[in-house]
Amino acid sequence: SQTIHQWPATLVQPVGSPLSLECTVEGTSNPNLYWYRQAAGRGLQLLFYSVGIGQISSEVPQNLSASRPQDRQFILSSKKLLLSDSGFYLCALRLAGGREQFFGPGTRLTVL
Amino acid sequence: QKEVEQDPGPLSVPEGAIVSLNCTYSNSAFQYFMWYRQYSRKGPELLMYTYSSGNKEDGRFTAQVDKSSKYISLFIRDSQPSDSATYLCAMSPNQAGTALIFGKGTTLSVSS
Repeated sequence: SQTIHQWPATLVQPVGSPLSLECTVEGTSNPNLYWYRQAAGRGLQLLFYSVGIGQISSEVPQNLSASRPQDRQFILSSKKLLLSDSGFYLCALRLAGGREQFFGPGTRLTVL
Repeated sequence: QKEVEQDPGPLSVPEGAIVSLNCTYSNSAFQYFMWYRQYSRKGPELLMYTYSSGNKEDGRFTAQVDKSSKYISLFIRDSQPSDSATYLCAMSPNQAGTALIFGKGTTLSVSS
């Protein structure tokens, strides 16, 4: 079965600093990959999704970007963090032909 | 009107109670319905997955879909303290590649 790794688990960053969150997947090939942000009281917000290497769709315009340099690697980045970027960032995958999504353990980001 | 509505709770019940969690939705194109359980500071875990209308049972959990009323439910029998978590409903139309639409989650607390 598939496994999703997210790194780091927690992160505290100052406003204006850069960000790089990594998601790696094992046990499957060519999955759809997703980045979500979960803020208190706001539910899951889809940020980006990718159907393949180098293919990124953005759902919400913001100061974040995503890249998929390899089939099983999905990276979330920012050049300058804002206070509003604080939250719980979740990577998810959807298997080819499936509808359900499977989530990673998440990265808790606090921007001070 | 939001696409998916879910009462955030919190819902507090004694151990052994039957719990009913619900979501309503507005998009009649939704065909796939999921329930996720999320423990504090963890990623969501897929609990139940159903297609179209009807019931699905898995141990103490039963998922119901009523497409005519645009209403889905998750029932938990003989609730345990370990069921204390946030429960998220999610749904998707039939088209491949479409992202899931999530409810905001209901927080459940089961006391022993």
